[in-house]
Amino acid sequence: GIQVEQSPPDLILQEGANSTLRCNFSDSVNNLQWFHQNPWGQLINLFYIPSGTKQNGRLSATTVATERYSLLYISSSQTTDSGVYFCAAGPNDYKLSFGAGTTVTVRA
Amino acid sequence: GAVVSQHPSRVICKSGTSVKIECRSLDFQATTMFWYRQFPKQSLMLMATSNEGSKATYEQGVEKDKFLINHASLTLSTLTVTSAHPEDSSFYICSARGGGSTEAFFGQGTRLTVV
Repeated sequence: GIQVEQSPPDLILQEGANSTLRCNFSDSVNNLQWFHQNPWGQLINLFYIPSGTKQNGRLSATTVATERYSLLYISSSQTTDSGVYFCAAGPNDYKLSFGAGTTVTVRA
Repeated sequence: GAVVSQHPSRVICKSGTSVKIECRSLDFQATTMFWYRQFPKQSLMLMATSNEGSKATYEQGVEKDKFLINHASLTLSTLTVTSAHPEDSSFYICSARGGGSTEAFFGQGTRLTVV
């Protein structure tokens, strides 16, 4: 299956700071999604972005499919942004492979 | 976005008993459902893929006789952990896709503790 690597594994931010999370994937994909896992374990869909750029409030994402990477941008971070961010990618059979996640801690 | 509901959210069972977890797509028809397992501080690992009316396809290393998956309708898939043992304790999460989209939506997860 597709290999998905996320970096950095951990990120500590001061409230108000901006950050970039990276996701590299090993093969062509037709599905790439970013999730935020809340403290209760629920995966919150952030972006469905197999290619291109999208923005939703303070979050935005860019996927460069030809170079096999995706970036998640968090601007003006808030303490509620804390948690684990997962990138998941899938080829033509639609099975998603997850990266190891980036644990974000935003300090007040 | 689409809504996927998973039940129960938390279950404690005795070793040797079986536990059933339900995953429902509430506002769309899920042609394909997926079951994942997540250990503490780790990522999600795909266990199996199920298509409505077909037998599930299990990932390598997943015991199909221990983790029984049924996808009898376009809105419901169930995972039954048979003869559960403490090492089966984990967080189980389902996801579903359908309606011609490749985007996956996830249930709330089920935390299983086997004592």
